[in-house]
Amino acid sequence: GQQLNQSPQSMFIQEGEDVSMNCTSSSIFNTWLWYKQDPGEGPVLLIALYKAGELTSNGRLTAQFGITRKDSFLNISASIPSDVGIYFCAGQLRPTSGSRLTFGEGTQLTVNP
Amino acid sequence: EPEVTQTPSHQVTQMGQEVILRCVPISNHLYFYWYRQILGQKVEFLVSFYNNEISEKSEIFDDQFSVERPDGSNFTLKIRSTKLEDSAMYFCASSKQGNQGQPQHFGDGTRLSIL
Repeated sequence: GQQLNQSPQSMFIQEGEDVSMNCTSSSIFNTWLWYKQDPGEGPVLLIALYKAGELTSNGRLTAQFGITRKDSFLNISASIPSDVGIYFCAGQLRPTSGSRLTFGEGTQLTVNP
Repeated sequence: EPEVTQTPSHQVTQMGQEVILRCVPISNHLYFYWYRQILGQKVEFLVSFYNNEISEKSEIFDDQFSVERPDGSNFTLKIRSTKLEDSAMYFCASSKQGNQGQPQHFGDGTRLSIL
């Protein structure tokens, strides 16, 4: 099946630093999404990307849909302690409702005050 | 903001027993999903459901699994004869209908522990 390779697996940063994480795939996805998961909770949608090359921001978060449709990155600027959590990329092959999401392995982010 | 709600938050069951996990999707959403996450691993797709039938299912979703929308608000996942390896977080998700893929919104999950 399709697999997403997400890196890095974990990051330890100081408050105020910028963060970058990315996902790559050997196959094409038509939608890329980024979710954040806090302990004991479900994934919360951060950003959804629908077009190759698309660059979208949500506050301090910026994500891009790679032009080859095989990769995406997420940047977090000026990190704060509440950014701590696991960040997952997810790809959707078919750009229609009902299509499965394939998740990456996640990036565990720790922010030191 | 509307959200997906799941009950119970934690279910402990003896191996071989049947278990039903319940979800109330967001009210104007028409597509429903179940995913699972084994401890420390990534989220994996199980099944999607639309118009009272399964749209897509993964290889994990074998004959011991079934889904149902018993009324206008609930969406359930049944595991007929649980195994130890079924222990995981189970997440329900829902999305709107649209020409372009609509983002899936997740509940907080049910932690299933099989003894």
